[in-house]
Amino acid sequence: DAGVTQSPTHLIKTRGQQVTLRCSPKSGHDTVSWYQQALGQGPQFIFQYYEEEERQRGNFPDRFSGHQFPNYSSELNVNALLLGDSALYLCASSLPGNVAFFGQGTRLTVV
Amino acid sequence: QQQVKQSPQSLIVQKGGISIINCAYENTAFDYFPWYQQFPGKGPALLIAIRPDVSEKKEGRFTISFNKSAKQFSLHIMDSQPGDSATYFCAASTRSNDYKLSFGAGTTVTVRA
Repeated sequence: DAGVTQSPTHLIKTRGQQVTLRCSPKSGHDTVSWYQQALGQGPQFIFQYYEEEERQRGNFPDRFSGHQFPNYSSELNVNALLLGDSALYLCASSLPGNVAFFGQGTRLTVV
Repeated sequence: QQQVKQSPQSLIVQKGGISIINCAYENTAFDYFPWYQQFPGKGPALLIAIRPDVSEKKEGRFTISFNKSAKQFSLHIMDSQPGDSATYFCAASTRSNDYKLSFGAGTTVTVRA
């Protein structure tokens, strides 16, 4: 049984560009959450998707947007990249009201 | 505003020793307190979790102690092994908030052989 898978594992973007990160949840999970983890910090909640709708959102600007597909996979989009967006982006999947399982993350570097 | 405060930032322990990490929270609505272990280049992995209706939970060498009145909880790693060297995060969430996790800043544990 595959766990949470994220792609790509690493990428480098230039300031001002746009990026899309992808996540496939653990089999059977229908809820996907995204977190940003800056170097040396704990993960910060970005938003959560359930039934293709954004159910909750953390304190992140509108440059951060997402989508969930009918197969429960999800994308995180970040527009107008800033140097401060450099971080490990984590996807977590769960069933409603249950423990979240994290993927290995996507390391985004903005130069 | 960080809702969960974690200390220490790092600690070094000898093999066989006890590692203790402490966390404190303010939001009394929190009703789920997990601990995650993270190795370099990997995502966090759930280690152990507790709900506020119990004061202690033990799984193998890992124990969570929970003090509801003080709004504090801690992780004890008994008989620490070099393979335990990792960063540990405490977190908190609420059922009513669909278990959105608020993480502490993390503690880097180094176990010396």
